[in-house]
Amino acid sequence: DGGITQSPKYLFRKEGQNVTLSCEQNLNHDAMYWYRQDPGQGLRLIYYSQIVNDFQKGDIAEGYSVSREKKESFPLTVTSAQKNPTAFYLCASSIDADTQYFGPGTRLTVL
Amino acid sequence: QKEVEQDPGPLSVPEGAIVSLNCTYSNSAFQYFMWYRQYSRKGPELLMYTYSSGNKEDGRFTAQVDKSSKYISLFIRDSQPSDSATYLCAMGNTGFQKLVFGTGTRLLVSP
Repeated sequence: DGGITQSPKYLFRKEGQNVTLSCEQNLNHDAMYWYRQDPGQGLRLIYYSQIVNDFQKGDIAEGYSVSREKKESFPLTVTSAQKNPTAFYLCASSIDADTQYFGPGTRLTVL
Repeated sequence: QKEVEQDPGPLSVPEGAIVSLNCTYSNSAFQYFMWYRQYSRKGPELLMYTYSSGNKEDGRFTAQVDKSSKYISLFIRDSQPSDSATYLCAMGNTGFQKLVFGTGTRLLVSP
């Protein structure tokens, strides 16, 4: 079964902690993306990667970091520098520059 | 002014109605246009993809793009309660890595 998986589904973070969200795809897509979704604000791009070992900042990269060591994996770390991390995080991938396919999401809550 | 405008709804219709969902945009460089369906607490699912202007039909769904008016629409015929979800429009430039998303319209189809 081809697709995009994200884990965990729910994640709780204490103040001052770094947490890492996992995103894996077996679609053989070159490009991968991380978005944040907040009520009433739509999807906002955090980071994207067009190819292994390369990634670019999106519109709201502050307080986040990523790595792209393997084609199929694009983990996102939410650092303690992100002041308002509670949100729904979505990972996507695409084989070309346009059509993106999304994973099921991770809901992060700060305690 | 936002680059993409989408009425948040909710839009409530009875089962069997024809639904019209719309987005307007300001960037005349956008070349491809997508509609995603997102159920509560799930990742967005790609419904329709259209390149440039024109219509595209897939089952009960029809996507229309009017580039002269910078206006896109998604029509759903014979709407079903299972169509109740949030519908996101998205658009981008050819070769451009970043999509721009609308904030989503929540649709409620009552039996």
